[in-house]
Amino acid sequence: NAGVTQTPKFRVLKTGQSMTLLCAQDMNHEYMYWYRQDPGMGLRLIHYSVGEGTTAKGEVPDGYNVSRLKKQNFLLGLESAAPSQTSVYFCASSYSPGGPPDTQYFGPGTRLTVL
Amino acid sequence: AQTVTQSQPEMSVQEAETVTLSCTYDTSESDYYLFWYKQPPSRQMILVIRQEAYKQQNATENRFSVNFQKAAKSFSLKISDSQLGDAAMYFCAYRGYTGTASKLTFGTGTRLQVTL
Repeated sequence: NAGVTQTPKFRVLKTGQSMTLLCAQDMNHEYMYWYRQDPGMGLRLIHYSVGEGTTAKGEVPDGYNVSRLKKQNFLLGLESAAPSQTSVYFCASSYSPGGPPDTQYFGPGTRLTVL
Repeated sequence: AQTVTQSQPEMSVQEAETVTLSCTYDTSESDYYLFWYKQPPSRQMILVIRQEAYKQQNATENRFSVNFQKAAKSFSLKISDSQLGDAAMYFCAYRGYTGTASKLTFGTGTRLQVTL
């Protein structure tokens, strides 16, 4: 099992450019999440999904959009990147039916720099 | 809204010694889960230990154990026989029992150094 994977691992954008981060999980998890990690602030939830075709806003959703067209994939989009979106982005997933609902498993992160 | 506070930005411990990392949280819920995650320089978030609030017994995973004080809303992590590989950022996290999606609230982290 690969667990949770993220593509790409690093990316540099110019202000105003767009990009999509891809998260994939092979654990048949229902729930998926996108977090951002900034120095001194821990991880903050951007958006999450409780199932295929559903998404919801987290703590810091502005400037981001997400889609969950397939159960195993969760995409995070930046339509017009801003320097304030320079961060490390983590994807996570949790909950297989019949399993413990509470433990999240994280991908390796994507370091994004917006110039 | 729930909050998680880690008041120790940095801690240091000698190899083979014991260290305790502090975490406090604020919630009005009676049932919830608490976690400690480790983030080494590789950036990978690794689950260290989890505690269900309804369980009075403190969780233990090998050299890692917690001191869960529900009334005081305190959830400290004890690392025994510290090893060089324990050097990392440690994050405390809270997850409410009710509602969907297992949303986590994280503290700001404690950086642990392990010295020879």
